Amino acid sequence: EAGVAQSPRYKIIEKRQSVAFWCNPISGHATLYWYQQILGQGPKLLIQFQNNGVVDDSQLPKDRFSAERLKGVDSTLKIQPAKLEDSAVYLCASSLPLGPQETQYFGPGTRLLVL
Amino acid sequence: TQLLEQSPQFLSIQEGENLTVYCNSSSVFSSLQWYRQEPGEGPVLLVTVVTGGEVKKLKRLTFQFGDARKDSSLHITAAQPGDTGLYLCAGAGGRRALTFGSGTRLQVQP
Repeated sequence: EAGVAQSPRYKIIEKRQSVAFWCNPISGHATLYWYQQILGQGPKLLIQFQNNGVVDDSQLPKDRFSAERLKGVDSTLKIQPAKLEDSAVYLCASSLPLGPQETQYFGPGTRLLVL
Repeated sequence: TQLLEQSPQFLSIQEGENLTVYCNSSSVFSSLQWYRQEPGEGPVLLVTVVTGGEVKKLKRLTFQFGDARKDSSLHITAAQPGDTGLYLCAGAGGRRALTFGSGTRLQVQP
């Protein structure tokens, strides 16, 4: 079974530039998550999709971050414009919705460095 | 806001030693998960505990969920270099799917 795919793996941009990340979840997984993991910290949920609908985006900085999952499969996360503090690893995860015992499967992440 | 605090933040030990990592919160969780993350990779689920007081064993790893479902511990017996990594606890409950702790970085020296 193929895992969660993310691209690119690394990205270096200058502040105020735009950047987009792509995620392809495990086939059949209805739930998709984007997390931000700053160095030395645990992942922080940015947005959760159930199929193509948003379940939770309360921690997404909506003035600069946006995400979509138009066909309920792949998803993109965009930052426009980027700030220095956006330097982090952006993780995508997917799961079958099974409540408290569900397993989230994570991709390898995209490491973003904003200069 | 649900917060999970992990301790210690960093642990460096010799191969063969035992260790315990703690995950504490003031909030009650419906379940708690432990993940391990290696450099350049995403977290991988180790275990899910659901019932207060529950103990689960995974080879040399023992996981315990507190009676009040607010805290958890991970104990590793006879640590090996392959155990090196970032250990994350994550609680499920409330509005958010998972809330992650800040992690414990474990380094096991051969």
